[in-house]
Amino acid sequence: DSGVTQTPKHLITATGQRVTLRCSPRSGDLSVYWYQQSLDQGLQFLIQYYNGEERAKGNILERFSAQQFPDLHSELNLSSLELGDSALYFCASSAFPGQGIYEQYFGPGTRLTVT
Amino acid sequence: AQSVTQLGSHVSVSEGALVLLRCNYSSSVPPYLFWYVQYPNQGLQLLLKYTTGATLVKGINGFEAEFKKSETSFHLTKPSAHMSDAAEYFCAVSVAGNQFYFGTGTSLTVIP
Repeated sequence: DSGVTQTPKHLITATGQRVTLRCSPRSGDLSVYWYQQSLDQGLQFLIQYYNGEERAKGNILERFSAQQFPDLHSELNLSSLELGDSALYFCASSAFPGQGIYEQYFGPGTRLTVT
Repeated sequence: AQSVTQLGSHVSVSEGALVLLRCNYSSSVPPYLFWYVQYPNQGLQLLLKYTTGATLVKGINGFEAEFKKSETSFHLTKPSAHMSDAAEYFCAVSVAGNQFYFGTGTSLTVIP
């Protein structure tokens, strides 16, 4: 158990809909990262938040957005869903970038199926 | 720019044989390198990491990796494969902890 929790574990929805994925980082970790894993694209970095502020952006679509709340949990919002958005979405957390390199701890993922 | 290349998307070894998973990186700054393992239907788990210091890094489950700057490589090895090692393995490079770049993964099959 990494200490990172993600809900829900599975999500099935229809095209055009909007969903919210939730992540709680390990206790004390300030950074949260979101990744998308699909068979054809592999593990793609989406976005990173540090202590409530966006820190880095990867291959995140404009239809997707994220935020990190004062209690450090994070939500990834996916809207106008398309079939191609079906994937595993992982959240990871780490302690504090910039003061040594801290590895990321991954949650169990949310499997999103768009029908 | 940083990137990671994992040679061989699928590797098969016999139980008890040497495991060698290849990773080459590209980084404009001193890299921090990681190997993660992913078992079916699970998240990624850290196997080992290189930040500074000793270039031979030992990780969990008997795995180790050697950072070779001249070859820009960070290959993962294990002397004797076990059935439980069957999984997907990812190499990653980090830039100051702000962003991680993952390879496309290598699926390891262990043949009894």
